[in-house]
Amino acid sequence: DGGITQSPKYLFRKEGQNVTLSCEQNLNHDAMYWYRQDPGQGLRLIYYSQIVNDFQKGDIAEGYSVSREKKESFPLTVTSAQKNPTAFYLCASRGSGFFSEQYFGPGTRLTVT
Amino acid sequence: ILNVEQSPQSLHVQEGDSTNFTCSFPSSNFYALHWYRWETAKSPEALFVMTLNGDEKKKGRISATLNTKEGYSYLYIKGSQPEDSATYLCAFMRGETSGSRLTFGEGTQLTVNP
Repeated sequence: DGGITQSPKYLFRKEGQNVTLSCEQNLNHDAMYWYRQDPGQGLRLIYYSQIVNDFQKGDIAEGYSVSREKKESFPLTVTSAQKNPTAFYLCASRGSGFFSEQYFGPGTRLTVT
Repeated sequence: ILNVEQSPQSLHVQEGDSTNFTCSFPSSNFYALHWYRWETAKSPEALFVMTLNGDEKKKGRISATLNTKEGYSYLYIKGSQPEDSATYLCAFMRGETSGSRLTFGEGTQLTVNP
């Protein structure tokens, strides 16, 4: 089955630790995205990548880092510099064609205490 | 940061009712408007991608219209069913060199009571 996988579903970390969230897709999509959702808010774009070895900051990139070494993978690292890391994180990808829809993974809920 | 607004924030209707909600977006540099449905415990799924002023799209009992000149889109659900209960998100794509990024509204949470 083609799709996007995110692991783990729930992640718990202590404050001050970096943590990496996984996102893998087998849809052969070039573009991939990371969003964050907080209660009562819409999806906010953290980083996106339109092609391997290239990525751009979204609206809330501070305290996060990404890499795009392979087409299938777009991991997100939440660093200790992120002041409010507890949130729900969604990964998405988009096929070719500028008007293509985005496909979403199941999300990872990160709790930092 | 672009401003995409959805109203109402939440909506409770009875099974069989028809309903509609609104997405407002900047009317300049329009490129596309996406609608997604996000059911609890699932991933958001695309309903429509709308690109032209006056566009009307339909999928079963759900339809959407687009007015790019005034910057709004309506989503309609005819004869709501409990399985329509979800959060409906709209997302705006701007036509410039910022790439394929979307700006999402906060969503309208629909609950359909049997």
